[in-house]
Parts: sequence; structure tokens; C-alpha cells
Amino acid sequence: EAGVTQFPSHSVIEKGQTVTLRCDPISGHDNLYWYRRVMGKEIKFLLHFVKESKQDESGMPNNRFLAERTGGTYSTLKVQPAELEDSGVYFCASSPRQTKNIQYFGAGTRLSVL
Amino acid sequence: GQNIDQPTEMTATEGAIVQINCTYQTSGFNGLFWYQQHAGEAPTFLSYNVLDGLEEKGRFSSFLSRSKGYSYLLLKELQMKDSASYLCAVRGYNAGNMLTFGGGTRLMVKP
Repeated sequence: EAGVTQFPSHSVIEKGQTVTLRCDPISGHDNLYWYRRVMGKEIKFLLHFVKESKQDESGMPNNRFLAERTGGTYSTLKVQPAELEDSGVYFCASSPRQTKNIQYFGAGTRLSVL
Repeated sequence: GQNIDQPTEMTATEGAIVQINCTYQTSGFNGLFWYQQHAGEAPTFLSYNVLDGLEEKGRFSSFLSRSKGYSYLLLKELQMKDSASYLCAVRGYNAGNMLTFGGGTRLMVKP
């Protein structure tokens, strides 16, 4: 069974440009999460989808970040325009609708904003 | 809010036992998770505790005391491949089930 896959694995862009990150969750997982790890800091929650609906977006830093999950399958996270402080590793995770709700993570996208 | 503390780095010898501690302060608690992460790879789920006590899974065990806000991950018969970062994460009691992570403990296993 395929795990959570993220694309690209690494993206280097200039300040002011737009970048779109993609996440394909494990097949059948209704829950999809985005997290971010900024250099030297802990992994922090950004938002949570249940199918195509945003359940919790309390961690989104500002309106330059837009997450979508059309059709309730894969998700995209767009940063527009990117700023230097957006650099970090963006992780996606998915979980089934069960009591334990264990989240399975992708390898992340390393975003470098120059 | 939630605050999670764990040591930044630990070193241990191949074949030995190591205990990685995690303390947390949370306004609501609905489970504690341990993940292993090798550099550049995905965090991999190791264990889940929601009730007090010890959960054993092969060479890895995890303990939880909710009254003390304390957990540990115990790794036995250490192998070189166990060199990795170990992440402690707490799930709060909210609709989103988001995880709040500690900074991670980088474990180096030496021969």
C-alpha cells in the first residue's frame, strides 16, 4: 500500500513568487493534515481537512497560504507571494476515521525562499 | 495551549537501552504519540498511549502518566539504524485532532 506522497521533494523560489505543494494521502483516509517545520523549531500544525471540508485552519499563518482539497482526495497548499520566513519543510499527514486516528506522514517538501 | 519538552540530543551505545523522556502541559489531552524520523524522511509512527501505563512493541516501549504529564520512549538492544530523531506529540481534545510536537530528540547510537 502506498504511503503519503508529497511533491515536489524540494522547491527553491525567489521571494514574491508563487509555489504550490501537493499531497496525496493514503487511499481511503478522510483526514488530511498540513504541518510545517521552520528551521530550528518544532513541527507545527497548519490545517486539517475532513474529506474536502476544512475542519480546522487555526494554524495557517496568514492569507498568503491557501489550501484546497477538491474532491476529497489529494490536497494542494499554495503560497502566494512567498516570503523569506516561509522557508521550511512542509509535511502532509493523513489518517483514517478511527478512534486512534493515527496520522501517517509524508517525507515533506523542503521549501527554500531566496 | 500546549507545551512539550524533550531533550535535544542523546547518545547511547549499540546494544544498550536508552530512555527518551517527554513532559507536556496541555489544556486538553487525547493521546500521546511517538514518531521516529531519519534525516530527510517521513516521520514514522512508533507508538500511541492514551491511558496510563506501558505499551510494548518489540524493542520499543512507551510509558504514559497523565497525572504527571510525562511519557517516555524506551529503546532496547540498540542498533545503529536507531540513530534518528524521536518526536513526542500530543493530541488535544478538539475537533481537529491536530498534533502538537516537541522539538524532537536526536539520538546517536555509537558502536
